[in-house]
Amino acid sequence: DVKVTQSSRYLVKRTGEKVFLECVQDMDHENMFWYRQDPGLGLRLIYFSYDVKMKEKGDIPEGYSVSREKKERFSLILESASTNQTSMYLCASSLGQGNTEAFFGQGTRLTVV
Amino acid sequence: AQKVTQAQTEISVVEKEDVTLDCVYETRDTTYYLFWYKQPPSGELVFLIRRNSFDEQNEISGRYSWNFQKSTSSFNFTITASQVVDSAVYFCALSEAPGSYNTDKLIFGTGTRLQVFP
Repeated sequence: DVKVTQSSRYLVKRTGEKVFLECVQDMDHENMFWYRQDPGLGLRLIYFSYDVKMKEKGDIPEGYSVSREKKERFSLILESASTNQTSMYLCASSLGQGNTEAFFGQGTRLTVV
Repeated sequence: AQKVTQAQTEISVVEKEDVTLDCVYETRDTTYYLFWYKQPPSGELVFLIRRNSFDEQNEISGRYSWNFQKSTSSFNFTITASQVVDSAVYFCALSEAPGSYNTDKLIFGTGTRLQVFP
């Protein structure tokens, strides 16, 4: 079974904290993605990576950074968490041969207080 | 600009009813892909179907069927004889045409929450 695993299902952090969301895939996929899901807004792309150490901004990168040191792992970093970053975060990966389906993790519900 | 619209925010049906979820997209690309994903209460998005812009054949998979019409820029999803287990949020998505590298980036609609009551 293919798998994308996110390190936490639920997280509660304080305003101003540095937050790391981790994602690991076991499918040897080239592409990895971080999306944010909010009610009424659907999923919006924060960052994606098409290779190790390569990254590109998505539609809403402000306040976030990412790291991909190994092919299987893609981390989302909130440098200084704010309450408007309270959301569901979904990691995904895809083969990278063009328009292949993405496989998603179970999501991390982050609350910033 | 590329955009996906799912005008139905929430639909409620009784078991065994048929239900259609609408999806309308906008793109300037001549080559594109459309997707449907299901998000059950557990939270993980589950891939249902991918359709490329050159293939307008309708597809049926068990109780699920998809109607792709380029003339109306629509890719609608029908569940026949709905069941309680179909209760979920369903997302339609569009992928951008490949650029210098194949990114597989998806543009999602806002989702339709389907509730099937026994």
